[in-house]
Amino acid sequence: DGGITQSPKYLFRKEGQNVTLSCEQNLNHDAMYWYRQDPGQGLRLIYYSQIVNDFQKGDIAEGYSVSREKKESFPLTVTSAQKNPTAFYLCASSIPLGEKLFFGSGTQLSVL
Amino acid sequence: AQRVTQPEKLLSVFKGAPVELKCNYSYSGSPELFWYVQYSRQRLQLLLRHISRESIKGFTADLNKGETSFHLKKPFAQEEDSAMYYCALSGQGNNDMRFGAGTRLTVKP
Repeated sequence: DGGITQSPKYLFRKEGQNVTLSCEQNLNHDAMYWYRQDPGQGLRLIYYSQIVNDFQKGDIAEGYSVSREKKESFPLTVTSAQKNPTAFYLCASSIPLGEKLFFGSGTQLSVL
Repeated sequence: AQRVTQPEKLLSVFKGAPVELKCNYSYSGSPELFWYVQYSRQRLQLLLRHISRESIKGFTADLNKGETSFHLKKPFAQEEDSAMYYCALSGQGNNDMRFGAGTRLTVKP
C-alpha cells in the first residue's frame, strides 16, 4: 500500500555506532515527523519538518539528527550520543498546520 | 510549552457499558485537539478531531476550554473498541503535534 513507508522494520545498533532509519512518503505532504514510543510514555516528538530544507527540534532531540533534502524523505540518524536508543520509532506526515497525521508502521531499534 | 495528560494507563469496561477516556491539556494559545487510535497490529490512525465535531464509530469528544479537557466518550462500548487511544494537541497554525501517554482500553464480553 502507498502512503508512508518506514524501513527497516527491525534494526540493531552496536555500541558507538550511528544508525539511520528511513522514512519515505508519497502523499505529497509538506510536514513530516519523528516520534519515539516507549512503553508507558506514549509518543515523544524527536524532530519535525514543515518544509524541505527546514526542521525543528522536538522534546527529545538530543542524540538524534535529521535531514530533509527531499519532500518525500525524512531520515532519522540515531547517533552514538543517544545513550538509550532502544525504542520503537514512528514516522508521520501531514499537510501543514495542524492537520491529521498519517503514520508509518514503525522501526524497532535495539542495542546489541 | 504544550502538554497532554491522559491520567489512565489502563481502562477496562464490559461490552455495552459507557466508556470515557480522559484527556487534559495545557497550552497558552488556541489548541487543535485530536484522538488517535491504534488497534492490534495496525498503524496509529486518526479517530477524530475537535474542529470536525463528528462522531466516529460512536465516539465523540467535546473540547472544554474552561476545564482544558477533551475527553473521549462512547455510550455503549463494543469489543472491537479494544485498542490503545492517544490524545494529541497541536497549536493552531503550528505543526508540532504532541501526544499523551495513551490509554489502553479493554472491552470485555
